[in-house]
Amino acid sequence: SAVISQKPSRDICQRGTSLTIQCQVDSQVTMMFWYRQQPGQSLTLIATANQGSEATYESGFVIDKFPISRPNLTFSTLTVSNMSPEDSSIYLCSVDSGISGGYWETQYFGPGTRLLVL
Amino acid sequence: QKEVEQNSGPLSVPEGAIASLNCTYSDRGSQSFFWYRQYSGKSPELIMFIYSNGDKEDGRFTAQLNKASQYVSLLIRDSQPSDSATYLCAVKRGYNTDKLIFGTGTRLQVFP
Repeated sequence: SAVISQKPSRDICQRGTSLTIQCQVDSQVTMMFWYRQQPGQSLTLIATANQGSEATYESGFVIDKFPISRPNLTFSTLTVSNMSPEDSSIYLCSVDSGISGGYWETQYFGPGTRLLVL
Repeated sequence: QKEVEQNSGPLSVPEGAIASLNCTYSDRGSQSFFWYRQYSGKSPELIMFIYSNGDKEDGRFTAQLNKASQYVSLLIRDSQPSDSATYLCAVKRGYNTDKLIFGTGTRLQVFP
């Protein structure tokens, strides 16, 4: 499986500010995903980021709030903009094991970024 | 109805027992099914995946899939205190197969 790193691992931010989270993979991958896990909750997909195309956002998530970049096949960023305390969550990057996104492919997760907004 | 449902637990089992974790899903066209383990403060770790009806075994873990009943389970044999974690069931639909849909997870406690 791919080795995934995220920066920062945690941060405490003031409301109204923005934070950019980086996700680095040790091999080229087609599909990268950004999830949010609010305290005590399960994982919710924010968006899918494919290199060379605009990110695809899930219902309830918008580009103005969570802009995503995917400049190459090993790197992506997620920005949490104009933060409020409700954005306090763990943000997780994941990658697909293959190149086609088929049902037989699995996803592996990075270590996550723990964000607290005051 | 949630697309992927799990009992939140906690499920408490004694050390050495079999832990049985269950998951139901609503989309009959779902193609593949995944079990992740998540320790407190850590990210999810893939344990098992299964595509075909029946059982799939890997060490102490067995995944069971019954597509007719839209039911997938994870059995952990010889449970250890180190197995204490939240177990997340995830499903890929028959369409948009790049996306994982997660259940809310079941917290497992294995006591000595």
